[in-house]
Amino acid sequence: GAVVSQHPSRVICKSGTSVKIECRSLDFQATTMFWYRQFPKKSLMLMATSNEGSKATYEQGVEKDKFLINHASLTLSTLTVTSAHPEDSSFYICSASYDYPHVDQEQYFGPGTRLTVT
Amino acid sequence: EDKVVQSPLSLVVHEGDTVTLNCSYEVTNFRSLLWYKQEKKAPTFLFMLTSSGIEKKSGRLSSILDKKELFSILNITATQTGDSAVYLCAVGGGATNKLIFGTGTLLAVQP
Repeated sequence: GAVVSQHPSRVICKSGTSVKIECRSLDFQATTMFWYRQFPKKSLMLMATSNEGSKATYEQGVEKDKFLINHASLTLSTLTVTSAHPEDSSFYICSASYDYPHVDQEQYFGPGTRLTVT
Repeated sequence: EDKVVQSPLSLVVHEGDTVTLNCSYEVTNFRSLLWYKQEKKAPTFLFMLTSSGIEKKSGRLSSILDKKELFSILNITATQTGDSAVYLCAVGGGATNKLIFGTGTLLAVQP
């Protein structure tokens, strides 16, 4: 149980285009979803936290107009990288959580999306 | 400021060795401490610890939390080359429902 999927797993796009990444909780309703970014040989950096039906909360230094997050339902959140540039190339990972007692993990991670901007 | 510090940053051992990875934290409103293994993909969950002194074990891996001294260790016995990975420690807590990640420990197990 508690499976999170991401799509696509890998995407290559041209500079200036926008890319949408989907994060889905497959077998549970996620009250909160998180988006992380990871550069090579670095740890996960939280970009934003989103709750269903409300605006995402962005971490300091993350451009909200550049990284658009929509959390339309309890099972789906999307991250859109707008006007992508090569420096946006990174590994993007989503995670999801739910507020039940006796949860065995804080957050359930998706498999990640590797974005390359050429 | 909330922070999670892992040590060592990297480690090279030979197969069969035992390793101990460290994670110390300063996080307000501590809820839990988690260990993950990351290879060339998203992190894989290993353990979640919420109580001091209770060892969690899975095969050759084990972990324990000390909430008084604010640290946790992850032990791997009889290491294998497949254990080579980055091991991430994260703490749930702070002002919001976030996980605060450490920088990770890169473990390389040589044959």
